[in-house]
Amino acid sequence: GDSVTQMEGPVTLSEEAFLTINCTYTATGYPSLFWYVQYPGEGLQLLLKATKADDKGSNKGFEATYRKETTSFHLEKGSVQVSDSAVYFCALARPNSGYALNFGKGTSLLVTP
Amino acid sequence: GAVVSQHPSRVICKSGTSVKIECRSLDFQATTMFWYRQFPKQSLMLMATSNEGSKATYEQGVEKDKFLINHASLTLSTLTVTSAHPEDSSFYICSAKSYNEQFFGPGTRLTVL
Repeated sequence: GDSVTQMEGPVTLSEEAFLTINCTYTATGYPSLFWYVQYPGEGLQLLLKATKADDKGSNKGFEATYRKETTSFHLEKGSVQVSDSAVYFCALARPNSGYALNFGKGTSLLVTP
Repeated sequence: GAVVSQHPSRVICKSGTSVKIECRSLDFQATTMFWYRQFPKQSLMLMATSNEGSKATYEQGVEKDKFLINHASLTLSTLTVTSAHPEDSSFYICSAKSYNEQFFGPGTRLTVL
């Protein structure tokens, strides 16, 4: 079945460091791909998305490109801030199931000053 | 932006009792809502898809008689955990779909003693 695999955390970075969180997927067809962020004590928020191959989603300095050839959707940010500390979830939407989401296990990011 | 609320945010109950969790879309109508379950330090697992006016579609392994879902209006879906047991303790999150995007509630922490 459709699934998402993302790198295990926790990831600890110093402020202004470069961030990459790897995400690969397995799916039949061409699902939409998402990154969600969960800040401490809050609900999930959509960070960015891409709906087709070669699309690049971007928001708040984060970027991810939908790579069909490598079935990947890696999240990147050039310079992280302490406020980026959160748990990041990669997800894909199942078009044949009402666009229900399959999530990766989440990657916890801690950014230190 | 689209806002989804959940009530209660936290509930503690005794083993054998039933608990109802409400999910409301506050500023939009949602024909489809989803219920997820999140274990500590793990990902969100889809439990069921809730469609307004029809029966919910449950994921494999989710007991429909234990997790009753009702989607009686375009802005409200409820999840009732019947005869709750300690192993049902978890974080339950709902989402509401609008234009192929999901908006998540803040979650409900259920603790069964």
